[in-house]
Amino acid sequence: GAGVSQSPRYKVAKRGQDVALRCDPISGHVSLFWYQQALGQGPEFLTYFQNEAQLDKSGLPSDRFFAERPEGSVSTLKIQRTQQEDSAVYLCASSLDVGRAYEQYFGPGTRLTVT
Amino acid sequence: KQEVTQIPAALSVPEGENLVLNCSFTDSAIYNLQWFRQDPGKGLTSLLLIQSSQREQTSGRLNASLDKSSGRSTLYIAASQPGDSATYLCAAPQRISNFGNEKLTFGTGTRLTIIP
Repeated sequence: GAGVSQSPRYKVAKRGQDVALRCDPISGHVSLFWYQQALGQGPEFLTYFQNEAQLDKSGLPSDRFFAERPEGSVSTLKIQRTQQEDSAVYLCASSLDVGRAYEQYFGPGTRLTVT
Repeated sequence: KQEVTQIPAALSVPEGENLVLNCSFTDSAIYNLQWFRQDPGKGLTSLLLIQSSQREQTSGRLNASLDKSSGRSTLYIAASQPGDSATYLCAAPQRISNFGNEKLTFGTGTRLTIIP
């Protein structure tokens, strides 16, 4: 079956522009995570959704970052007034249900470059 | 707060050798631990998920072990091949408040190069 998909795969934005990154989780998956991966680093947690509810946004680096999942399936991560330090790969992951036993499946990521 | 460390940061070995990648974590109250592979410019591919009730998990030439008491996990790759060249990431979970799900805390990875 289809895995997690993300679009666009690559995005170049000029500093100050707004961007929107999309994640399509595996169908039926309840939990959805966003991670940010800077060059040469491991991914770092940004935010978590359980269905449409955003239950943890402790990893969002500033109030310029906003995420939503209005119908409990597709999610969008929006970054307003992009800065050069926002350049990174943004990874989305989903898992079947809530709980410690459920594996997270990752999408290919969106590579954002802010010039 | 969970912290994950991976050693070495980079490793180059000739084809055919066996090798071990190391991962340590600070919070041993984990339910499982996951190893991922990441190819340049690509997303994460899950290799092995070890439950805390297991001590080892095997998939083909890969074997991962978990020792919660010492806060360590190792990934053993047997008979390495050039196609194994990639970055290997270890991830330990951290509880999300009381919501029953867990976010992953990653190490910075080991960049592995297999020399033909």
